[in-house]
Amino acid sequence: DIQMTQSPSTLSASVGDRVTITCRASQSLSNWLAWYQQKPGKAPKLLIYRASTLESGVPSRFSGSGSGTEFTLTISSLQPDDFATYYCQQYNNFGPGTKVDIK
Amino acid sequence: QVQLVESGGGVVQPGRSLRLSCAASGFTFSSYSMHWVRQAPGTGLGWVAVISDDGKNKYYADSVRGRFTISRDNSKNTLYLQMNSLRTEDTAVYYCARDGYSGYVFDCWGQGALVTVSS
Repeated sequence: DIQMTQSPSTLSASVGDRVTITCRASQSLSNWLAWYQQKPGKAPKLLIYRASTLESGVPSRFSGSGSGTEFTLTISSLQPDDFATYYCQQYNNFGPGTKVDIK
Repeated sequence: QVQLVESGGGVVQPGRSLRLSCAASGFTFSSYSMHWVRQAPGTGLGWVAVISDDGKNKYYADSVRGRFTISRDNSKNTLYLQMNSLRTEDTAVYYCARDGYSGYVFDCWGQGALVTVSS
């Protein structure tokens, strides 16, 4: 199985900050990586797939990049609605999550 | 609009069985592979199983293989997860999810069904 890691595990930030989350895989994934946002008590929501393709309806402040074994999710200007936990995923493997909370 | 609604969760004793259902609406159910993903309390997401659009191909996580069975009824637009020999470690919220881009990309999720395995 491919092992997925995310850093940091927790991130404290303020509204307006630029936020970057990193996902690393134990084996090359080409560009087949997705990012999800999850709020407490809610189902995850797809943000980005194929490493950099923005899902329909997702704000353009979210972007993804990377290939192979290292990927990033960037929020260009953090909004109040963005405080949540973010997961990367490739096929049947999820990362452990990154919680973005208020500084 | 696209909607997935799970049902069938509850409290069950170890070793017993439970069946989850996921009713789909707002899209052509028979055109999509479907998955179950679970989340134990306070932890991250874990993939459970997938079934192809026609129901012929099924794959499972090692932790549930041989105990859980995924199935679907395309005439009823419904996905199922039969869970047998339940263990305390199966306690989780179970989500059904649509594979929107033919490659384990989950573009639509249900609200989740809580399964608690406890004596």
